[in-house]
Amino acid sequence: NAGVTQTPKFRVLKTGQSMTLLCAQDMNHEYMYWYRQDPGMGLRLIHYSVGEGTTAKGEVPDGYNVSRLKKQNFLLGLESAAPSQTSVYFCASIDRDKGPNSPLHFGNGTRLTVT
Amino acid sequence: AQSVTQLGSHVSVSEGALVLLRCNYSSSVPPYLFWYVQYPNQGLQLLLKYTSAATLVKGINGFEAEFKKSETSFHLTKPSAHMSDAAEYFCAVSALANQAGTALIFGKGTTLSVSS
Repeated sequence: NAGVTQTPKFRVLKTGQSMTLLCAQDMNHEYMYWYRQDPGMGLRLIHYSVGEGTTAKGEVPDGYNVSRLKKQNFLLGLESAAPSQTSVYFCASIDRDKGPNSPLHFGNGTRLTVT
Repeated sequence: AQSVTQLGSHVSVSEGALVLLRCNYSSSVPPYLFWYVQYPNQGLQLLLKYTSAATLVKGINGFEAEFKKSETSFHLTKPSAHMSDAAEYFCAVSALANQAGTALIFGKGTTLSVSS
């Protein structure tokens, strides 16, 4: 059981380039989330999805887009990367059928550097 | 709106000493509270969670936390620190409990250092 898998693990982009981060989960979870982690800032929610075909904005959505075409996958896109998007990105999923206090399952993160 | 404040961005203890990591929350509804741990270059792992069944919650690796409504606190403790406890710890509150699409609101984290 792989849990939550993020690809790639590392990436370096130049300003203005685009890329897509992939998150895949094999737990049949409905809800998926993208967070970014920056030193001293904790984790901040970028976008989330409550099911296939649905997405919603989180706390810091600007500069990012997401898609949830398949239940198991949640993609995070950067259309035109900026140095301020240098961060570690975490995907997480949750089984809400088990109640609102169900724990998040996290991937191991994608470390993105924008130069 | 829900929020979480972790007091102290860095805590240092000696091996065998008491660990106390502080977390205060703000919530307009009964909160669901969590502590997560993050080891270097890894994702976050659940340590424990408060579910309203008991105010004292026991988690993995000997950690526990006590929910105090009067103080709006959920501090994390461990009686005796081990070198392997060195990590970053996050307190989190579940926003809009019982609502669809609820996401965790995280504190800014506390880095725990353990010296021998």
